[in-house]
Amino acid sequence: ETGVTQSPTHLIKTRGQQVTLRCSSQSGHNTVSWYQQALGQGPQFIFQYYREEENGRGNFPPRFSGLQFPNYSSELNVNALELDDSALYLCASSWTGGNTEAFFGQGTRLTVV
Amino acid sequence: AQKVTQAQTEISVVEKEDVTLDCVYETRDTTYYLFWYKQPPSGELVFLIRRNSFDEQNEISGRYSWNFQKSTSSFNFTITASQVVDSAVYFCALSPPTGTASKLTFGTGTRLQVTL
Repeated sequence: ETGVTQSPTHLIKTRGQQVTLRCSSQSGHNTVSWYQQALGQGPQFIFQYYREEENGRGNFPPRFSGLQFPNYSSELNVNALELDDSALYLCASSWTGGNTEAFFGQGTRLTVV
Repeated sequence: AQKVTQAQTEISVVEKEDVTLDCVYETRDTTYYLFWYKQPPSGELVFLIRRNSFDEQNEISGRYSWNFQKSTSSFNFTITASQVVDSAVYFCALSPPTGTASKLTFGTGTRLQVTL
């Protein structure tokens, strides 16, 4: 068990709605990254948060946004949901400033209908 | 741009066989990190190994071993005497230099099925 927790574990939303996914990072970690994993694919980097600021973004539109809080936990918000947003969303925490690996949570499986 | 290729989509072996999962990467960075993760059906990505681009020594951890060859941009993973519990999807990943170890570029994964 990594100590990275995500909520909820499963979620069903309707196209056009908005969704918020949550992630609590591992103790001692100050950086949170979010990934989208479509069925049968590898995870795709969405963005990373460090010191409550976005610190790098992958090829995702602005309707994907995030927050990081002073306790290093994070939220991923997706507006105007599309059917293709259906995926497993993974959160990873790590320590920026050291040679450490990223530890992943169990993911939130989002289904958009 | 960074890219990771895992050409083997699915591999099936019988328990106790050895199996090698291939990984080829592309990057313009001179310093980078390579990773292997295991994803069981539960979905969580389980960290297996991180390798610095300056360290080309092979590594062995129990039944697992990794062969890093910078000359061919490959980072292959071998499981010796496979077991049913090894059944999972395995991902190879690449990250930029120190401090950004979580901005990972993943391959598409290799599904390993180990049967009795």
